[in-house]
Amino acid sequence: DAMVIQNPRYQVTQFGKPVTLSCSQTLNHNVMYWYQQKSSQAPKLLFHYYDKDFNNEADTPDNFQSRRPNTSFCFLDIRSPGLGDAAMYLCATSRDRTNQPQHFGDGTRLSIL
Amino acid sequence: KNEVEQSPQNLTAQEGEFITINCSYSVGISALHWLQQHPGGGIVSLFMLSSGKKKHGRLIATINIQEKHSSLHITASHPRDSAVYICAVPRPGGGADGLTFGKGTHLIIQP
Repeated sequence: DAMVIQNPRYQVTQFGKPVTLSCSQTLNHNVMYWYQQKSSQAPKLLFHYYDKDFNNEADTPDNFQSRRPNTSFCFLDIRSPGLGDAAMYLCATSRDRTNQPQHFGDGTRLSIL
Repeated sequence: KNEVEQSPQNLTAQEGEFITINCSYSVGISALHWLQQHPGGGIVSLFMLSSGKKKHGRLIATINIQEKHSSLHITASHPRDSAVYICAVPRPGGGADGLTFGKGTHLIIQP
């Protein structure tokens, strides 16, 4: 079935040790989003790609980077994770710019030791 | 910035009850999303609507664009409906700029 797949489901890393989260989609959607959701809070947009165009949110820390090597894959890189970066990271896609449903992955829960 | 308010924040009901969750927003939009999030994190899109009413199984979503208000109803609620229900609207920059989410309504349906 077409879907959005995030790997891994659970990631544990050490304080300051770089980590990469992965998202893939079989929907052939143009737009891919990364959201951060901390405990008991609403998801917050970090950045998104419209095709190859990268759009960073003004308040996304420099510590967070993203890559989209092709339509299907998008990565979230955290260069030096701090304790405050422990959260659920959600990847979502939508077909195009105009109002479209968003399709979410199951998320990656990141813990920092 | 669009403020999205949901009520109630928490709701516990008995199996079979009719459930209503409300959402209001501050800036005019062209469409609104209702999402469901189960424990463990994954989010499922339930509805995207821009006017009137949509129905899917036991779920009904309505929106009043003029009043900037939407409701999600669950008929004949069941324990498997227990989840967090989230209302979300497109950010003011346009549809591709992601969503602004409400804080969610934590629903528990007891057998």
